[in-house]
Amino acid sequence: SQTIHQWPATLVQPVGSPLSLECTVEGTSNPNLYWYRQAAGRGLQLLFYSVGIGQISSEVPQNLSASRPQDRQFILSSKKLLLSDSGFYLCASDRPVRRELFFGEGSRLTVL
Amino acid sequence: GQSLEQPSEVTAVEGAIVQINCTYQTSGFYGLSWYQQHDGGAPTFLSYNALDGLEETGRFSSFLSRSDSYGYLLLQELQMKDSASYFCAVLMDSSYKLIFGSGTRLLVRP
Repeated sequence: SQTIHQWPATLVQPVGSPLSLECTVEGTSNPNLYWYRQAAGRGLQLLFYSVGIGQISSEVPQNLSASRPQDRQFILSSKKLLLSDSGFYLCASDRPVRRELFFGEGSRLTVL
Repeated sequence: GQSLEQPSEVTAVEGAIVQINCTYQTSGFYGLSWYQQHDGGAPTFLSYNALDGLEETGRFSSFLSRSDSYGYLLLQELQMKDSASYFCAVLMDSSYKLIFGSGTRLLVRP
């Protein structure tokens, strides 16, 4: 079965600082990968998805970007964080046959 | 735009049955999924419906009516550990985009 590793698990960053969240997937090859963000007590907002190396689709225009340098690696970045970037960031990989998403344990970001 | 509507909160008694509804309006539709999320944790997959009808998996069942743009999750024999948030999600097309509702917080009381 798939395993998704995300790091860091928790981080506190000042406004205007850069961000890098990493996600790696084990137990599958050529997965579709996703970044979601969840505000406190809210639903999941799709930020980016990728169907292959170097292929990124953006769902929400903002100061975040994503990259996929390797088949099972997905990175979320920002050059300058905003207060509104605070939230719970979840990386996910899918299992197409069952249309099932596997989620990592998440990265909780607080921007001060 | 895309919209998925679910009740924000539901309370039920241990051992009872509860139904969580989801209505959707999306520009594309391929199927409806349900996910469970405990506080502080990651969502976990419960079910997926692509065709009309009821799918049963143990104590949980999920229903879809494509003509009504409506689905529900049915939880039977509720247990305390079922207290969590439940999200419906629409798979937008045959590829990859999964759009989530805002979630329903279920509280199971003794």
